[in-house]
Amino acid sequence: SSDLTQPLSVSVALGQTARIICEGDNIRTKNVHWYQRKPGQAPVVVIYRDSNRPSGIPERFSGSNSGNTATLTISGAQAGDEADYYCQVWDTITAGVFGGGTKLTVL
Amino acid sequence: QVQLVESGGGLVTPGGSLRLSCAASGFTFSDYYMSWVRQAPGKGLEWVSHITSTSSYTTYTDSVKGRFTISRDNAENSLYLQMNSLRADDTAVYYCARVDSWYDDYYMDVWGKGTTVTVSS
Repeated sequence: SSDLTQPLSVSVALGQTARIICEGDNIRTKNVHWYQRKPGQAPVVVIYRDSNRPSGIPERFSGSNSGNTATLTISGAQAGDEADYYCQVWDTITAGVFGGGTKLTVL
Repeated sequence: QVQLVESGGGLVTPGGSLRLSCAASGFTFSDYYMSWVRQAPGKGLEWVSHITSTSSYTTYTDSVKGRFTISRDNAENSLYLQMNSLRADDTAVYYCARVDSWYDDYYMDVWGKGTTVTVSS
């Protein structure tokens, strides 16, 4: 089964680059998806299948997946990017698996 | 536009039952797998259940197996979650989500706004 570990919080200065990691055994063999959840709003997928960006998601969001770590990168972070971010994979044994979530603070 | 609207949440005593509904619009509902995902107060997202487009296969997280049943009515463009023997730790916002599927990989590409379930005496 897949257990996904994320840092509880990440801080980034306005306009700088934020990196949020998601760790799991051989995660590189899985497709990793990333969701943004702002208070009071439904989650939104910002990256799917490691590095694909849905239409409407700004280009500053990007993703990568290698070894035991997947990374969501937000280049030029803006105040509106403050949110909780979750990684997710689909496991053939345990089905849907989410990471614990990372709170992004833009300073 | 593509939309999912949940309903049916509320306050229920431990051991009680609730049936959540999700009305889909703006897309061909019968073409998509669907999921329920929940978020308990102060906790992260938790995948709950998943159903294929024709209802041929369903799966559940271990904590709800035997208590929750996912179903759908493609003629009514609706998804359901029957929740029985509810416990305090089922208290959460429940989201209906459309599933994008590709081989054995799935992710939730459209989400509803959620409905709140509170289990308390």
